[in-house]
Amino acid sequence: EAGVAQSPRYKIIEKRQSVAFWCNPISGHATLYWYQQILGQGPKLLIQFQNNGVVDDSQLPKDRFSAERLKGVDSTLKIQPAKLEDSAVYLCASSLDSGQGQPQHFGDGTRLSIL
Amino acid sequence: DQQVKQNSPSLSVQEGRISILNCDYTNSMFDYFLWYKKYPAEGPTFLISISSIKDKNEDGRFTVFLNKSAKHLSLHIVPSQPGDSAVYFCAASARAGGTSYGKLTFGQGTILTVHP
Repeated sequence: EAGVAQSPRYKIIEKRQSVAFWCNPISGHATLYWYQQILGQGPKLLIQFQNNGVVDDSQLPKDRFSAERLKGVDSTLKIQPAKLEDSAVYLCASSLDSGQGQPQHFGDGTRLSIL
Repeated sequence: DQQVKQNSPSLSVQEGRISILNCDYTNSMFDYFLWYKKYPAEGPTFLISISSIKDKNEDGRFTVFLNKSAKHLSLHIVPSQPGDSAVYFCAASARAGGTSYGKLTFGQGTILTVHP
């Protein structure tokens, strides 16, 4: 079974620029998550999709962050404009459904550095 | 507000001995708990979980204990192996009605180093 695929692995941009991350979940997984992991902290949920609908985006900074999951498969996360505090690893995860008994499978993440 | 806390940033143990990683939580609505392991430059991988209706769950060398009254859980690894060296994250979820059914709240992580 192929895992969660993310690209790019690394990205370096200057503040105020825009950036986009891509995620391809495990085939058949209805639920997709985007997390932000700042150095020395645990992952923090930004947004959760169930198929192509948003379930929870309460911690997404909507003035600069946006995400979509068209057709309920791949997803993109965008930051525009980027700030210095956005430097982090952005992790995508997927699960069969949103039930508690379904473990989330993570991709290897995109490491974003803001200069 | 840190609802899930791992107060030990790091732990060092000898190969063959027991590793005990601790986690405390404050939200009494949490009723499902998980441990994830993370190697450098990789995403976290699921290790073991426990529901609040249990106080212990075992899977091979890994056992998770839950003390609901103390709002505390721990992960025991016996015997520890050098390949267990990684960052371990505790996570919790609440079966509240509505939209956050699968939402995980993570602790800060504990770096485990197992010496040969």
